[in-house]
Amino acid sequence: DQQVKQNSPSLSVQEGRISILNCDYTNSMFDYFLWYKKYPAEGPTFLISISSIKDKNEDGRFTVFLNKSAKHLSLHIVPSQPGDSAVYFCAASLGSAGNNRKLIWGLGTSLAVNP
Amino acid sequence: GAGVSQTPSNKVTEKGKYVELRCDPISGHTALYWYRQSLGQGPEFLIYFQGTGAADDSGLPNDRFFAVRPEGSVSTLKIQRTERGDSAVYLCASSSGLAGLDTQYFGPGTRLTVL
Repeated sequence: DQQVKQNSPSLSVQEGRISILNCDYTNSMFDYFLWYKKYPAEGPTFLISISSIKDKNEDGRFTVFLNKSAKHLSLHIVPSQPGDSAVYFCAASLGSAGNNRKLIWGLGTSLAVNP
Repeated sequence: GAGVSQTPSNKVTEKGKYVELRCDPISGHTALYWYRQSLGQGPEFLIYFQGTGAADDSGLPNDRFFAVRPEGSVSTLKIQRTERGDSAVYLCASSSGLAGLDTQYFGPGTRLTVL
């Protein structure tokens, strides 16, 4: 049973426009959420994160929004650039003994930004 | 400023053989995680080390899988009697291990193919 769900396997947007990637989760105990970007044949690269005590975090062109009541988060990329084309993973963790922050991952959304 | 490195980048083996996958974390990072990513899936947690000890090995699929981190730095994931279903990309991540919210940084992964 997927605790972190990314229901859109792919997304295509025009360069300069906004990309919105969505993620839903089922476990209300998650307290930390992260977005990673992955290029082929590379490991995931950390992009941006948000604590459950916040509803928004912004870093340059990237903004993550968290709606705890809906158990939903989204990643906004504005403006989108061709170099943003990659697979984006949503991941979540919950605090546990010994600072274990193992991540629970969605299936990913493949973003294509067209010039 | 080296990141997480993993060797080999690719490993092809025959069913029933033994393999070792190596991870060099970021210097000074005390927390180390192994994940496995199968085709079309998100990464799946395998094991977490804090220092030299395996604090959480709940993600290891069975007793053919074992990991060590004898000096609290480099880690080796060992798979005995490999099966075709073990074919996947094995990802290693490290983090500072400090209390609180902690970002994991990933290596490029080792692609294991069991024939």
